[in-house]
Amino acid sequence: SQTIHQWPATLVQPVGSPLSLECTVEGTSNPNLYWYRQAAGRGLQLLFYSVGIGQISSEVPQNLSASRPQDRQFILSSKKLLLSDSGFYLCAWSSRRNTEAFFGQGTRLTVV
Amino acid sequence: SQQGEEDPQALSIQEGENATMNCSYKTSINNLQWYRQNSGRGLVHLILIRSNEREKHSGRLRVTLDTSKKSSSLLITASRAADTASYFCATDVLSGAGSYQLTFGKGTKLSVIP
Repeated sequence: SQTIHQWPATLVQPVGSPLSLECTVEGTSNPNLYWYRQAAGRGLQLLFYSVGIGQISSEVPQNLSASRPQDRQFILSSKKLLLSDSGFYLCAWSSRRNTEAFFGQGTRLTVV
Repeated sequence: SQQGEEDPQALSIQEGENATMNCSYKTSINNLQWYRQNSGRGLVHLILIRSNEREKHSGRLRVTLDTSKKSSSLLITASRAADTASYFCATDVLSGAGSYQLTFGKGTKLSVIP
């Protein structure tokens, strides 16, 4: 069966520090991969999605970047965090044929 | 940008009552999905309805889709306290890369009072 792992669950980082959130998927090949951000009490904002290794599409201009070094690995990064980067970050995957998405448990990022 | 918009933003009902949440979207879709999110957790897929379907059932869930009005509704019958969560609709939009990407609404926060 397919599983998705996202870590860490919580993270507190100072302003200006770098960020690296990792997401891996098991049990499937060639997944579409997504990074979403959810502000408190709000909906999900699509940040990045990827249809293959090295293929990243960005939905909104921001202080973040994403990379897909392997088929089932998706990394969200920042060189210098801003206060406004605080939020709940969710990684998700879907198959190419069925767009039902499966989510990780999320990372609560607090920038202080 | 947000594709789906749920209505109401918050809903509070007594256990045993039915809960109805609505979703409106803007562009043509391939399918529409509903997800549930418990506080501070990831989203869990509930049901998917394709653009050529009008109604779909899954247990106590009933979803309708009206593509002419670009709207959908999620009905939870005989609600339970455990149904307390946020519910999101999501639509798939064909991206420039030729794949479908999911865009979510802001959600309806449902509280079921025992």
